[in-house]
Amino acid sequence: ETGVTQSPTHLIKTRGQQVTLRCSSQSGHNTVSWYQQALGQGPQFIFQYYREEENGRGNFPPRFSGLQFPNYSSELNVNALELDDSALYLCASSFYSGTGEAFFGQGTRLTVV
Amino acid sequence: AQSVTQLDSQVPVFEEAPVELRCNYSSSVSVYLFWYVQYPNQGLQLLLKYLSGSTLVESINGFEAEFNKSQTSFHLRKPSVHISDTAEYFCAVSDPSTSGTYKYIFGTGTRLKVLA
Repeated sequence: ETGVTQSPTHLIKTRGQQVTLRCSSQSGHNTVSWYQQALGQGPQFIFQYYREEENGRGNFPPRFSGLQFPNYSSELNVNALELDDSALYLCASSFYSGTGEAFFGQGTRLTVV
Repeated sequence: AQSVTQLDSQVPVFEEAPVELRCNYSSSVSVYLFWYVQYPNQGLQLLLKYLSGSTLVESINGFEAEFNKSQTSFHLRKPSVHISDTAEYFCAVSDPSTSGTYKYIFGTGTRLKVLA
């Protein structure tokens, strides 16, 4: 059973640029959620994807968008990067009708300069 | 709205001593409760969870947590810590009524530092 994998592990972007982060869900999981963890803070829910559609969103602006593919992998896209977008981005996969437990990847460390 | 409070940002403790990491939540509905651990430069690993049933839950590495509905708490305890337990610990809640939604509300974390 493979775990949740994210790529890249580290990324440096310039303010105003766009970035795409990728996540492969754990085998058998059909739901992917994304979290932003700023330095010294707990993770904050960005959104969740199920059946290739967004089905839950946190308090993040529309420049944060995502995709889920038929194989349940997912992308997080952030447009018009701001310095405050610098954070660890975590992907979590789960089974939609499961017991509420999500499994997290190692994260992508995004630095915006 | 749900929220999670972890009052202790840092907890230093000597090796083999007991430790308690506190977690309080606010919610008007029933909740699922979780403790996750994060080692340096890594993602989150589930330590233990409370979904229903027995209010005392245990992990395989000696941690335990007790769900206290009247005090809206889910404190994490270990009777004897090891150097390897040094990490950041996050308490989280989710709403079981939103079936299929894995929107966790996390606390700000407690950094456990085990001293030799």
